[in-house]
Amino acid sequence: AQKVTQAQTEISVVEKEDVTLDCVYETRDTTYYLFWYKQPPSGELVFLIRRNSFDEQNEISGRYSWNFQKSTSSFNFTITASQVVDSAVYFCALSERNYGQNFVFGPGTRLSVLP
Amino acid sequence: DGGITQSPKYLFRKEGQNVTLSCEQNLNHDAMYWYRQDPGQGLRLIYYSQIVNDFQKGDIAEGYSVSREKKESFPLTVTSAQKNPTAFYLCASSRMGQGSQETQYFGPGTRLLVL
Repeated sequence: AQKVTQAQTEISVVEKEDVTLDCVYETRDTTYYLFWYKQPPSGELVFLIRRNSFDEQNEISGRYSWNFQKSTSSFNFTITASQVVDSAVYFCALSERNYGQNFVFGPGTRLSVLP
Repeated sequence: DGGITQSPKYLFRKEGQNVTLSCEQNLNHDAMYWYRQDPGQGLRLIYYSQIVNDFQKGDIAEGYSVSREKKESFPLTVTSAQKNPTAFYLCASSRMGQGSQETQYFGPGTRLLVL
């Protein structure tokens, strides 16, 4: 069955620190997709990234980077030089191609960046 | 601008009352989804629809109903049978792909409170 674990419930860092949010998933499918979303205090989920299971290249977008490792079933998210505006709840999600029809979301990690 | 709108932002329900949450999208997406989010928790799928006039139950459909008469609209009714409706409700949409691996985009949410 699909499962997404985000073991870090809450993280607090001081501005300009780097922070990594962990995501570990379980799937029985060989083709699957992983996602990260940001939920700021306003509530709307903002899409950050989508990766498929065949692309293990790490990705960097500005201060954001993602490390996908199939060997450990992990898809971790790093924010470099964190800013107060990064404070939000971050969700990792999994979608299988051949089993089930929908996303499974992790429980989320609440990140607080202190000035 | 293309996007997803949800209304109202806040909704109050009295005992025994049915209430309807609106979700509209102008992204020309085929699939639409309703999620429920409880404080400090991840998202749980209520209903989804992949095509007009067709919809499927998600993980927690009891006490809810939906309709999909138009591609752009996917209203959710919280019925009196839902005994614990207080939550944050998020609507999402996506293109249709094989399986469900397309990125879901979210609306701003509706917060439902019981009086």
